[in-house]
Amino acid sequence: GAVVSQHPSRVICKSGTSVKIECRSLDFQATTMFWYRQFPKQSLMLMATSNEGSKATYEQGVEKDKFLINHASLTLSTLTVTSAHPEDSSFYICSARGTSWDTQYFGPGTRLTVL
Amino acid sequence: GQQVMQIPQYQHVQEGEDFTTYCNSSTTLSNIQWYKQRPGGHPVFLIQLVKSGEVKKQKRLTFQFGEAKKNSSLHITATQTTDVGTYFCAGGDTGNQFYFGTGTSLTVIP
Repeated sequence: GAVVSQHPSRVICKSGTSVKIECRSLDFQATTMFWYRQFPKQSLMLMATSNEGSKATYEQGVEKDKFLINHASLTLSTLTVTSAHPEDSSFYICSARGTSWDTQYFGPGTRLTVL
Repeated sequence: GQQVMQIPQYQHVQEGEDFTTYCNSSTTLSNIQWYKQRPGGHPVFLIQLVKSGEVKKQKRLTFQFGEAKKNSSLHITATQTTDVGTYFCAGGDTGNQFYFGTGTSLTVIP
């Protein structure tokens, strides 16, 4: 099956710093990648949809200047949380979808803790 | 915006009992997917339903898509401890974006 990786799996940072999370599709080309955020015991909330080579589409209420998304190649998308604050602490999960099918394959997630 | 609700939020069952979670969308869906997330893990794709009234089975799991394509259900027969986790539905819109339901957390008591 398709494999999606995320790096890092866990990060702790100080308030005010920026954190970059990478999402890679390892064995398929992903024209579309999705970024989700999940708070404890809550559902996954779609943050943005990222298409290779174009600007990401952000969901209502998600600040595009705070959550920078880059999808420069068919196998890599990055999410940068700029000037992170404690309320940004969450589990961030990416998913990727190939060109010819609708199923999303999820990465293992990145747990961000902002002190 | 699109809202996808699931009930119940939590369910505790004795091992061997059946379990059902219901998913309701505020808008008509193009398709629906179901995922299972184990504690500490990431969502794992279970199935996708596309057709109105569609029913699919995977061993002890039965998935249904409503006639109006606004609701869906997942039924597990004779639960086992390995069924523990949170089950999410995700409704797909015409743009092929998926919006996750609120999830149902299943606890199976041995």
